[in-house]
Amino acid sequence: AQSVTQLGSHVSVSEGALVLLRCNYSSSVPPYLFWYVQYPNQGLQLLLKYTSAATLVKGINGFEAEFKKSETSFHLTKPSAHMSDAAEYFCAVIAYNNNDMRFGAGTRLTVKP
Amino acid sequence: SQTIHQWPATLVQPVGSPLSLECTVEGTSNPNLYWYRQAAGRGLQLLFYSVGIGQISSEVPQNLSASRPQDRQFILSSKKLLLSDSGFYLCAWGAGTNYLTDTQYFGPGTRLTVL
Repeated sequence: AQSVTQLGSHVSVSEGALVLLRCNYSSSVPPYLFWYVQYPNQGLQLLLKYTSAATLVKGINGFEAEFKKSETSFHLTKPSAHMSDAAEYFCAVIAYNNNDMRFGAGTRLTVKP
Repeated sequence: SQTIHQWPATLVQPVGSPLSLECTVEGTSNPNLYWYRQAAGRGLQLLFYSVGIGQISSEVPQNLSASRPQDRQFILSSKKLLLSDSGFYLCAWGAGTNYLTDTQYFGPGTRLTVL
């Protein structure tokens, strides 16, 4: 079965700095990969998803993620953090040949002025 | 536009009591519907999904059940709550033809505390 590991339960960056949230997956078959964001007191919102097309996926709010099969990674990045990016971010994986969707434990992003 | 509602927003229930959480979607037809649970300090776990009225698939064995009595209504139930059922329950909907790669839109969630 596939699984997801998000390295760092809490990441803190300064406003304007690079955001890098790490996600590694384990799957014996090609996966579909997702990043979701949960702003305070709100539900989950899809940021972006990888479904075996381009390995570099661009999402909303300036975020992007790159699927690297050799590293089994799908890290989320944003060149310049805004205060409004403060939220909890979840990585998720589905193996294409089953219906088991797994979420990571989440990474809380804090943006300092 | 589509909206998704969940109620109640917060619920405190004693062990052994029944549970009923409701999720409704507006503005779309025949959506795929999902129930997730987020336990404290853990990631989201898919509990149930439904691709149509009366069609429920369960992902994990537990004392919870789900039902879809109407096209845009998804209910999560339990006959007897356990302490371990405490958590944050999220409902989601999607409109794709492949429910596995649906873009899922989440509701605001219900925080359940079992005492």
